[in-house]
Amino acid sequence: KAGVTQTPRYLIKTRGQQVTLSCSPISGHRSVSWYQQTPGQGLQFLFEYFSETQRNKGNFPGRFSGRQFSNSRSEMNVSTLELGDSALYLCASSLAGRRGGPETQYFGPGTRLLVL
Amino acid sequence: KQEVTQIPAALSVPEGENLVLNCSFTDSAIYNLQWFRQDPGKGLTSLLLIQSSQREQTSGRLNASLDKSSGRSTLYIAASQPGDSATYLCAVPPNSGNTPLVFGKGTRLSVIA
Repeated sequence: KAGVTQTPRYLIKTRGQQVTLSCSPISGHRSVSWYQQTPGQGLQFLFEYFSETQRNKGNFPGRFSGRQFSNSRSEMNVSTLELGDSALYLCASSLAGRRGGPETQYFGPGTRLLVL
Repeated sequence: KQEVTQIPAALSVPEGENLVLNCSFTDSAIYNLQWFRQDPGKGLTSLLLIQSSQREQTSGRLNASLDKSSGRSTLYIAASQPGDSATYLCAVPPNSGNTPLVFGKGTRLSVIA
């Protein structure tokens, strides 16, 4: 089975622009989560989608948004980019996203975003 | 609020040594704990997942243990190799659901040939 894929792998944007990142989960996985990784803050949770519905959301401003399609692929969008948004954005997928169930989270290679 | 701590932040060992990485968490009511490896600039690779009912999980030269009562997990790497050089992260999910995973800051391991 192919792993989690993320596109693009690298992006350079300028302040004020917007960006859309894409994540394709492992085939059959229905839960997709997004994380931001920076050297200072480590890994921070953005949001989780399951069956096209946002099920959980982290403490990020409204400039960060996401969605999930019927094929479980997910996108996240960041509007009005700020310098501090420079980070590695990781998505993870899991099989059923069962509440409380022990599930391995599989991560993609990430998209590295640089905001100038 | 769950907090996860990993000590040490960095570790350098000669090739062939056995080593232990530590992970501690403040809320012992966890469903599982997952260990990941991250190579520089890359994504996370899942190494081992220990369910709350388990005490150990093994995969090749890796052995992870879990002691819920003391809020600790260890990752044991036997006969370390230069290819093991990476950052190792542990993470726990919330009491219900899969997210958010709460991560430690990681241990950066260097295995010197």
